[in-house]
Amino acid sequence: EPEVTQTPSHQVTQMGQEVILRCVPISNHLYFYWYRQILGQKVEFLVSFYNNEISEKSEIFDDQFSVERPDGSNFTLKIRSTKLEDSAMYFCASRVDRGYHGEQYFGPGTRLTVT
Amino acid sequence: GENVEQHPSTLSVQEGDSAVIKCTYSDSASNYFPWYKQELGKRPQLIIDIRSNVGEKKDQRIAVTLNKTAKHFSLHITETQPEDSAVYFCAAIVTGTASKLTFGTGTRLQVTL
Repeated sequence: EPEVTQTPSHQVTQMGQEVILRCVPISNHLYFYWYRQILGQKVEFLVSFYNNEISEKSEIFDDQFSVERPDGSNFTLKIRSTKLEDSAMYFCASRVDRGYHGEQYFGPGTRLTVT
Repeated sequence: GENVEQHPSTLSVQEGDSAVIKCTYSDSASNYFPWYKQELGKRPQLIIDIRSNVGEKKDQRIAVTLNKTAKHFSLHITETQPEDSAVYFCAAIVTGTASKLTFGTGTRLQVTL
């Protein structure tokens, strides 16, 4: 069964550094998402992406964040200048467009630690 | 925006007993309600979902009920087993272009022997 993959599994960075988190969604999926989960808390929506543009973003997704689909397979989340509070697990998800709804499939996550 | 409340935050049951987790949502436009199970350090995985035009759905030992009038939905797990131990999240979606998931705060279920 196809799966969403993410790299790296764990990223440690210093405050103020830029990080890029990478995701490979399931190949026939059309909608892509980034969520984050601070340790012990709920999963929070960051951004959704469709047809090569952002379709919705949350208040968390400020100017320090950006997303890109640089080719036909990768979907990236960039944080320009990391802060301590960016430390979290970041999940990529994708879904195929099936009209009424489609299940969102989650990747295994990237644990980002900002020191 | 949508807000999803979930109770209880922790739940301990003996193996073989039933477990019930309850969620309420605020946006009456929400029309799809998935439940995710998350084992420690793992990705959230969909275990069951329900659409707003359905009141109840069952899949083996798990079932979900939805009361649209009251804006609440519940997860029921019968004959619990140790492998059911995990964190369970409810979520709500207003389906459309973005269809973002709004998650509840999670319930840590512990099934004891």
